[in-house]
Amino acid sequence: QKEVEQDPGPLSVPEGAIVSLNCTYSNSAFQYFMWYRQYSRKGPELLMYTYSSGNKEDGRFTAQVDKSSKYISLFIRDSQPSDSATYLCATLYNQGGKLIFGQGTELSVKP
Amino acid sequence: GAVVSQHPSWVICKSGTSVKIECRSLDFQATTMFWYRQFPKQSLMLMATSNEGSKATYEQGVEKDKFLINHASLTLSTLTVTSAHPEDSSFYICSARGHAASSYNEQFFGPGTRLTVL
Repeated sequence: QKEVEQDPGPLSVPEGAIVSLNCTYSNSAFQYFMWYRQYSRKGPELLMYTYSSGNKEDGRFTAQVDKSSKYISLFIRDSQPSDSATYLCATLYNQGGKLIFGQGTELSVKP
Repeated sequence: GAVVSQHPSWVICKSGTSVKIECRSLDFQATTMFWYRQFPKQSLMLMATSNEGSKATYEQGVEKDKFLINHASLTLSTLTVTSAHPEDSSFYICSARGHAASSYNEQFFGPGTRLTVL
């Protein structure tokens, strides 16, 4: 079993739709949860991170962590064509640890 | 945010040759650098972790004699793919992490290097 599971998609939505991206993880020891956005042929950029359970909002993006069910979510409101990218979830045991990535979900937002 | 650069951005080489990829932190001191590889439509797989001035720690299954990592300064790490073969063709990405005062010690990623071995 992979430590972090993510549906690779692809996911295609119309502009303005609400997008829900999800991951599950297996190890309850994970403390930090991140979402990265990666455009084609580029390195990943950090979108949001959350420590432990809860919600975090930044503009059109909301990250949600439910440690009881080991479930991580990213919601994108009013999606735009510029949001078209691959979204990777990632976790960390602790600050000094190594990132463990999900497979990434390819998102396409159609105008 | 902090900036990490990689050079070259893409390289094509013949089978059997060696290729060096540079990773630089431009505006901060990177105490730790990470090297990843990514195959098409797959996730990033960590290859090795290097701390400045010490030997790199390789992940299981990664050949240390084939993928030579040097982290000689706080702003530069290099990955050398020795005797490259077509199966080494991939997207290589580095990331860098420095000391951080915030609660989360972020890794900053470079733009990646696409290696094609003919």
